[in-house]
Amino acid sequence: EADIYQTPRYLVIGTGKKITLECSQTMGHDKMYWYQQDPGMELHLIHYSYGVNSTEKGDLSSESTVSRIRTEHFPLTLESARPSHTSQYLCASSELGQQTYTQYFGPGTRLTVL
Amino acid sequence: ELKVEQNPLFLSMQEGKNYTIYCNYSTTSDRLYWYRQDPGKSLESLFVLLSNGAVKQEGRLMASLDTKARLSTLHITAAVHDLSATYFCAVDRTGTASKLTFGTGTRLQVTL
Repeated sequence: EADIYQTPRYLVIGTGKKITLECSQTMGHDKMYWYQQDPGMELHLIHYSYGVNSTEKGDLSSESTVSRIRTEHFPLTLESARPSHTSQYLCASSELGQQTYTQYFGPGTRLTVL
Repeated sequence: ELKVEQNPLFLSMQEGKNYTIYCNYSTTSDRLYWYRQDPGKSLESLFVLLSNGAVKQEGRLMASLDTKARLSTLHITAAVHDLSATYFCAVDRTGTASKLTFGTGTRLQVTL
């Protein structure tokens, strides 16, 4: 079982603020992902990374950016938050080379932009 | 574009009853995942189905995959209240799970 952590768990901020959502995993997984999920809806991939210094955009266009300087850390940044960014953000990781490639999810950050 | 559809979207069933959730997808894939999500929580991996005809069982849940029909099922046997949650299927588009497309989810409510 993967250990993957996200902070903060809940965040309420005003429009225009810069925020960073943190995601860390202790399993040494190469691949990491960010998903966006509105309440009661499906998950949409917004960013992913195959390893250090590798980042790609996902299916859902997002104004957020990510970085991968260390294997265990994959933060997501919003330079100027807007109410349309209100959602739940889920981080996940998986191991390269593992047969099942199962993605393990963190607890999520619920973001509200006023 | 890969589309993943689940039905039903909402299911209310009594304890002790059996039911099946369906996951249909639109393009070829040999790898499918089932996840469970409790309200306000993250996703928990239930099953990974890796090939045509794969069947996995854990407790009261059994998942199967028919890649030719592009269909996966999640069968619930003798439901109990603890199974109340939202269930998602996710289809692997790349063969290495680099990109998963999730279904809309099925919200299951098991009543006494």
